[in-house]
Amino acid sequence: DAGITQSPRHKVTETGTPVTLRCHQTENHRYMYWYRQDPGHGLRLIHYSYGVKDTDKGEVSDGYSVSRSKTEDFLLTLESATSSQTSVYFCAIRRRTADYNEQFFGPGTRLTVL
Amino acid sequence: SQQGEEDPQALSIQEGENATMNCSYKTSINNLQWYRQNSGRGLVHLILIRSNEREKHSGRLRVTLDTSKKSSSLLITASRAADTASYFCATDAKINAGGTSYGKLTFGQGTILTVHP
Repeated sequence: DAGITQSPRHKVTETGTPVTLRCHQTENHRYMYWYRQDPGHGLRLIHYSYGVKDTDKGEVSDGYSVSRSKTEDFLLTLESATSSQTSVYFCAIRRRTADYNEQFFGPGTRLTVL
Repeated sequence: SQQGEEDPQALSIQEGENATMNCSYKTSINNLQWYRQNSGRGLVHLILIRSNEREKHSGRLRVTLDTSKKSSSLLITASRAADTASYFCATDAKINAGGTSYGKLTFGQGTILTVHP
């Protein structure tokens, strides 16, 4: 599991409230990613990070922001949650192996926005 | 639209049978990867095939890649009930000279495989 944890694992919130999801890794990997998974869409990249304070947008970044102030933590923030952001959110790291660019995923956070 | 499109969307077979899933993509790639997801869990990396490879094996898994057709297939032989899961292909797009991919992957929508005991 590459030492990846996500918190919270489940969250129910109301429209308009801010929400922060946390991804924590214990293996000092440089690259980290946030995805959302919805039926019919597979996994879509929201934001990614290639180092401390180095982040960039993915395919579906509108309404999301991220921060990475230290290597082990990558935070995903929904500034004002909307019902369309109800989804399962996965964090992943890129682990350096013989076959580069394999990604290892956390257990996911199920977010419901009412 | 998704880089990887998978076919079929769902597959139901009996234990012992082979399962074949297909993936098509649109752009040039460095490699293509297959992942598995059990219900309610995160994705698990299964196998990676580079753009200069045509076939790769890992245990009961066989992956083929046809870059001229921009397609790949995953074959699971002698399936077991424990293989029941969703399977996703993911592509690592080739970036122009001087560019950096940052390891970004584009996932297909997945194939739901059900193996009946």
